[in-house]
Amino acid sequence: GQNIDQPTEMTATEGAIVQINCTYQTSGFNGLFWYQQHAGEAPTFLSYNVLDGLEEKGRFSSFLSRSKGYSYLLLKELQMKDSASYLCAVRDDAYSGAGSYQLTFGKGTKLSVIP
Amino acid sequence: GAVVSQHPSWVICKSGTSVKIECRSLDFQATTMFWYRQFPKQSLMLMATSNEGSKATYEQGVEKDKFLINHASLTLSTLTVTSAHPEDSSFYICSARVLGELNNEQFFGPGTRLTVL
Repeated sequence: GQNIDQPTEMTATEGAIVQINCTYQTSGFNGLFWYQQHAGEAPTFLSYNVLDGLEEKGRFSSFLSRSKGYSYLLLKELQMKDSASYLCAVRDDAYSGAGSYQLTFGKGTKLSVIP
Repeated sequence: GAVVSQHPSWVICKSGTSVKIECRSLDFQATTMFWYRQFPKQSLMLMATSNEGSKATYEQGVEKDKFLINHASLTLSTLTVTSAHPEDSSFYICSARVLGELNNEQFFGPGTRLTVL
């Protein structure tokens, strides 16, 4: 089975730094994704980690520790438009055919950026 | 980046009718498309995995006779909600995996909001 935990809500100030944590317990592991989802819209891809360490991409960074089943998404220089839900998703290693795997999503962390 | 479209973006239908939702990869070929459902304030829940030219694989608890999936080509998958009921009202999102893409990233469509009266 898959179990993915992340905080339900967070609030941070414009210009600040915020870290959103994600812990997972899965039967298999083949990569962890972070997505951003604004209300009423589909998710958009932010980052992907499959090896331990930090991946940096502009204002966004993502970290993974496979031994601890832990990841975080770091957002720097927060802007009002960063107010959204952030979804942690784990890809398992159950091969579903045609080179495809499945993602299991956490419930998302709703981030509110305040002035 | 890869673009995935969905049609319609929203639909309102009467209870008992069927609704078809299309998912298209516009500028790439997708061997696999995924269908998700998201209820308000809930996370995405995978409904089924659709491979081109073969039967879809449904997740536990998803009725395959109610949610018909057809993946007729490398750029099109359809989800038909048959005999829809109010409890089927939800946000349906498809995603597609880029053929040959090393990291197996999935690109999401904009979603279809279904309301069953």
